[in-house]
Amino acid sequence: SAVISQKPSRDICQRGTSLTIQCQVDSQVTMMFWYRQQPGQSLTLIATANQGSEATYESGFVIDKFPISRPNLTFSTLTVSNMSPEDSSIYLCSAWTGTSMNTEAFFGQGTRLTVV
Amino acid sequence: AQSVTQLDSQVPVFEEAPVELRCNYSSSVSVYLFWYVQYPNQGLQLLLKYLSGSTLVKGINGFEAEFNKSQTSFHLRKPSVHISDTAEYFCAVRDHYGGATNKLIFGTGTLLAVQP
Repeated sequence: SAVISQKPSRDICQRGTSLTIQCQVDSQVTMMFWYRQQPGQSLTLIATANQGSEATYESGFVIDKFPISRPNLTFSTLTVSNMSPEDSSIYLCSAWTGTSMNTEAFFGQGTRLTVV
Repeated sequence: AQSVTQLDSQVPVFEEAPVELRCNYSSSVSVYLFWYVQYPNQGLQLLLKYLSGSTLVKGINGFEAEFNKSQTSFHLRKPSVHISDTAEYFCAVRDHYGGATNKLIFGTGTLLAVQP
């Protein structure tokens, strides 16, 4: 199993500002994933973060808006830049642990972001 | 690209009645399948997973799911629900041979609303 710590747990931000969300895993993982969950909706993958390379973004998400850092195998950050009310969502980080015969994705508790 | 369909956005059910939440996925390639539960204002918790082997998978809280490859389905069932089962349930799929990304793709979610 894995424990993923995310902070902040929630924040209220002014439009036009940026917020950086931190994600710490208690074990080394190759890939970390960032998801967005808009109010009342499912989880949408923003990007995949590998250590030592640029993140891979999904369609509809760009690096200028959601820059990601992955400085080592246990840590990643996601920045939500130049925020607008439409960015109000829960942001979650995730990582896979275990072997191919017994693997599971673990999630942080999420960061509840409100942009005013 | 892989996709997941949860046809029922909301399932109302009386306490102690049986329930089935439906999930279909798009790809016929070898996949890993998961059900997650999200209680109000909380993070994601894994209910159960299918990686290989027996097609009937048992999870926590009395839930089980059956993998049906020919119908590309992974429906979740519980023979008798409790009020405490009220939550959002997400089906998710990952390609078995995920390659460089190992992306977990989520369905739109089903709200299980248990009534007394």
